[in-house]
Amino acid sequence: DGGITQSPKYLFRKEGQNVTLSCEQNLNHDAMYWYRQDPGQGLRLIYYSQIVNDFQKGDIAEGYSVSREKKESFPLTVTSAQKNPTAFYLCASSGYSEPATEAFFGQGTRLTVV
Amino acid sequence: AQSVTQLGSHVSVSEGALVLLRCNYSSSVPPYLFWYVQYPNQGLQLLLKYTTGATLVKGINGFEAEFKKSETSFHLTKPSAHMSDAAEYFCAVSTTGNQFYFGTGTSLTVIP
Repeated sequence: DGGITQSPKYLFRKEGQNVTLSCEQNLNHDAMYWYRQDPGQGLRLIYYSQIVNDFQKGDIAEGYSVSREKKESFPLTVTSAQKNPTAFYLCASSGYSEPATEAFFGQGTRLTVV
Repeated sequence: AQSVTQLGSHVSVSEGALVLLRCNYSSSVPPYLFWYVQYPNQGLQLLLKYTTGATLVKGINGFEAEFKKSETSFHLTKPSAHMSDAAEYFCAVSTTGNQFYFGTGTSLTVIP
């Protein structure tokens, strides 16, 4: 079945450590996105990529980094510079069109700083 | 700039009652509009979408929404709430640049 796989589902990090969240899709989508979700704040865009080897900052990119070396993969690194990293992280993908016709989401990764 | 406003962060309805979740958007160009549902600790699942054509769109689980351009609205309705409808609902819009803009969500509680 086609879809988006995020791993791990739960992740614990010590303060000062970098951690990488995985996102893989087999939908042959060009565009991929990372969102952060906090209670009452909806989804906030961290980074997005429209094509391999290219990505753009979203609204809250500080303290995060990404790469897009393969069409199928868009990993997110939460660095020690992110002051409040505890949140639910969602990865999504869509076919490239303007406007975009639908975003498909992974099951999310819940990151907790301990 | 595009934005999405969901009126009411929490909505409670009795089982069997009408569900109405409100969404208004601002967009300088014709948008595509979406409603997504999220269950606890899960990703978002598409309920329905409007792109072009008929302004009343039907989705999964008995939900429907009507695009009203004059009111810049895309409210979500279901005639009779079921306990399984309890979840978080997000309205979203896409315009140019292959971007999505999400509202802050409405948590629906269904009272038995």
